[in-house]
Amino acid sequence: DVKVTQSSRYLVKRTGEKVFLECVQDMDHENMFWYRQDPGLGLRLIYFSYDVKMKEKGDIPEGYSVSREKKERFSLILESASTNQTSMYLCASSFFPGNEQFFGPGTRLTVL
Amino acid sequence: QKEVEQNSGPLSVPEGAIASLNCTYSDRGSQSFFWYRQYSGKSPELIMSIYSNGDKEDGRFTAQLNKASQYVSLLIRDSQPSDSATYLCAVNDGYSGYALNFGKGTSLLVTP
Repeated sequence: DVKVTQSSRYLVKRTGEKVFLECVQDMDHENMFWYRQDPGLGLRLIYFSYDVKMKEKGDIPEGYSVSREKKERFSLILESASTNQTSMYLCASSFFPGNEQFFGPGTRLTVL
Repeated sequence: QKEVEQNSGPLSVPEGAIASLNCTYSDRGSQSFFWYRQYSGKSPELIMSIYSNGDKEDGRFTAQLNKASQYVSLLIRDSQPSDSATYLCAVNDGYSGYALNFGKGTSLLVTP
């Protein structure tokens, strides 16, 4: 079974803090993704990575950065958290490009 | 603009009935199509993949694809209250080749 884990289920941070969200997959998948999900807006792609140290912007990259130093780990960084970044953050991975993605449990981030 | 459209619902069906969920997409280059189920507060879970025109059956689930009409559907036979969830349609992004484009989901309620 594919397993995707995320570092926290719930996280509360203050405005201006630097926030790290980590994602680890154990199936040797090449491709990893970060989404945020908000009511009425659906899943929106923030960044994805198709190889170690490679990254591509998704639809809403502003205010975020990512890091992929090892194949199994993909980190999302909020450089200076703002209240409009309060959301559910979902990490996913896939073996083949454009193929089925497997999601982690999600991190519900609240920025106060 | 890459769009995946779903009726938001809620779609209400009685227990034991067939639930029919529909999705249309705009990207003619898409080749891979997926249905995810998402319970409230949880992450999306893959339930069906379909790549060729026609029907694909897996237990109580049947996915139907018509590329000419740019239409994909999910039928759930013998619906159970435990099927009550939001169902997300996802289509591979023919432009990037890596990402999936998600619809906003249809909420299904199965009433006892």
